[in-house]
Amino acid sequence: QKEVEQNSGPLSVPEGAIASLNCTYSDRVSQSFFWYRQYSGKSPELIMSIYSNGDKEDGRFTAQLNKASQYVSLLIRDSQPSDSATYLCAVVRNAGGTSYGKLTFGQGTILTVHP
Amino acid sequence: SQTIHQWPATLVQPVGSPLSLECTVEGTSNPNLYWYRQAAGRGLQLLFYSVGIGQISSEVPQNLSASRPQDRQFILSSKKLLLSDSGFYLCAWSRGANVLTFGAGSRLTVL
Repeated sequence: QKEVEQNSGPLSVPEGAIASLNCTYSDRVSQSFFWYRQYSGKSPELIMSIYSNGDKEDGRFTAQLNKASQYVSLLIRDSQPSDSATYLCAVVRNAGGTSYGKLTFGQGTILTVHP
Repeated sequence: SQTIHQWPATLVQPVGSPLSLECTVEGTSNPNLYWYRQAAGRGLQLLFYSVGIGQISSEVPQNLSASRPQDRQFILSSKKLLLSDSGFYLCAWSRGANVLTFGAGSRLTVL
């Protein structure tokens, strides 16, 4: 079992729709969760971070975390063609309070938003 | 504000040749620094991280090495490249909160 699993897609949604991206992780003690967006040929950029169960909203983006189910998701409302990219889920296990940014990434979900 | 620079952006190297990728961070002190690799069709893999000058931790055994000669400088090296070293190399920094900021990346093709 992979440590962080994502459906590779591609996920295709029409412009204006809600895109739903999902991620599951295997390490129960994971404490920090991130969504990165990566355009083709570019480096990843952080979209959202979430640390507590529940929802966290930032503009058109909502991250949802359920630690009991080991599940984190990203919703993109009013999807735009410019949202077309690969979305990477990342998880980190904070060991003893030290944080070394040792993120474990999923393989990413390719999202295509068509006009 | 903090910025991260990484170079070269692209390079094509023959098998057996040496490698040096460099990364510098501006606008912060004592950052945590990381080298990740993204191979074609695969996810991002952490190669090295550093919490201070001269302190390097390796995550996976490989043909590469890293050094941190200055507080905000991180270098990835190899003495002899292998075909399997091809990939997209990303330098990143953080300040304790696990939030990584990536550089623009260096795309390496080994022929």
